[in-house]
Amino acid sequence: QVQLQESGPRLVRPSETLSLTCTVSGGSISSYSWSWVRLPAGKGLEWIGRINTSGSTRYNPSLRSRVTMSVDTSKNQFSLKLTSVTAADTAVYYCARLTASATEWFDPWGQGTLVTVSS
Amino acid sequence: SYELTQPPSVSVSPGQTASITCSGDNLGDKYACWYQQKPGQSPVLVIYEDYKRPSGTPERFSGSNSGNTATLTISGTQAMDEADYYCQAWDSSTVFFGTGTKVSVL
Repeated sequence: QVQLQESGPRLVRPSETLSLTCTVSGGSISSYSWSWVRLPAGKGLEWIGRINTSGSTRYNPSLRSRVTMSVDTSKNQFSLKLTSVTAADTAVYYCARLTASATEWFDPWGQGTLVTVSS
Repeated sequence: SYELTQPPSVSVSPGQTASITCSGDNLGDKYACWYQQKPGQSPVLVIYEDYKRPSGTPERFSGSNSGNTATLTISGTQAMDEADYYCQAWDSSTVFFGTGTKVSVL
């Protein structure tokens, strides 16, 4: 059974870069696409972007200018970088696998990691 | 930008039926899926491709999608179904989540 685990700093200073890594275990990262989703406190889920194992990406237009995703198939990991963060980027960040058929959906999800932007 | 609108809250008595709507322009022309999220936990897929249940999703969960509205129905609601529920769809290769609905079992 595939499991995902987010890791990275829990506290980031304003204007700096948020960096997270998702490690996939129990299966290969290949042949799937992978995503990041966040949940700000008191708000709803927000999709950040996706990446496949060829490195092809697609980002949420509202975050595109600040987001970079990458993948390391040798480590079964993919990563997120979000630049110039502000307090509005404080959220629980989830990584998830995209499963495809006629369309795509997120399953499974990682447990999530709370990242706080504060000085 | 595409928007998916859900009622903020739905209340239901144990054993009764809860219906959660998700509204978006021509949503019925797209596929909708639904996620359940309990406090402190990550989201869990409960319905995909409008009405299909992943293994592990109880049969009391069902879905439909037509016109501008997708609906998640919980029949015989149980206390364990109390959670936030989010619909999700794709538009122009971008993911959109609904605004979320808190289901309270009273």
